[in-house]
Amino acid sequence: SQTIHQWPATLVQPVGSPLSLECTVEGTSNPNLYWYRQAAGRGLQLLFYSVGIGQISSEVPQNLSASRPQDRQFILSSKKLLLSDSGFYLCAWSPLDGYTFGSGTRLTVV
Amino acid sequence: QKEVEQNSGPLSVPEGAIASLNCTYSDRGSQSFFWYRQYSGKSPELIMSIYSNGDKEDGRFTAQLNKASQYVSLLIRDSQPSDSATYLCAASSNTGKLIFGQGTTLQVKP
Repeated sequence: SQTIHQWPATLVQPVGSPLSLECTVEGTSNPNLYWYRQAAGRGLQLLFYSVGIGQISSEVPQNLSASRPQDRQFILSSKKLLLSDSGFYLCAWSPLDGYTFGSGTRLTVV
Repeated sequence: QKEVEQNSGPLSVPEGAIASLNCTYSDRGSQSFFWYRQYSGKSPELIMSIYSNGDKEDGRFTAQLNKASQYVSLLIRDSQPSDSATYLCAASSNTGKLIFGQGTTLQVKP
């Protein structure tokens, strides 16, 4: 069966520190992968999407970057976190019907 | 800017009543529509998809689509306290990406 894994579940990081969030998908090959952010009480904002290894599209200019080093691995990074980077980060992939989300990472930048 | 609009609520209904959630979208090229349920602190979970005009029923849930009016709705019959959550409407863009609304918070009171 197809599953999506995302970690860590929660993270508290100081301003200016680096960030690395990882997402992996099992049970499928060459999936479309997405990173979303949800600020408190807000909707889902698409940050990055990838249709294949090394292929990354950015939706909004920001302090974050994404990479896809392997077919089923998607990484979200930052060199220096800002307070405004706090939020709920969700990885998703697209099977035939809609998107399936990972369990999310709640990031608090202090 | 392609948008999906939802009333943020909260929508409050008594237990056993029908909850009606509404959504409008701006992109006439959208072909696929989805309803997600998101419990507080959790990731969104796909509950309904609809692609054609009309109604689609799945258990207590009915999705309705009217492409001429660019309108999507979700009806929840016999609402239960466990249905209390935020419901996100999403529409596909012409690139296949999903555009999400801000979500409607539903409260079902015992």
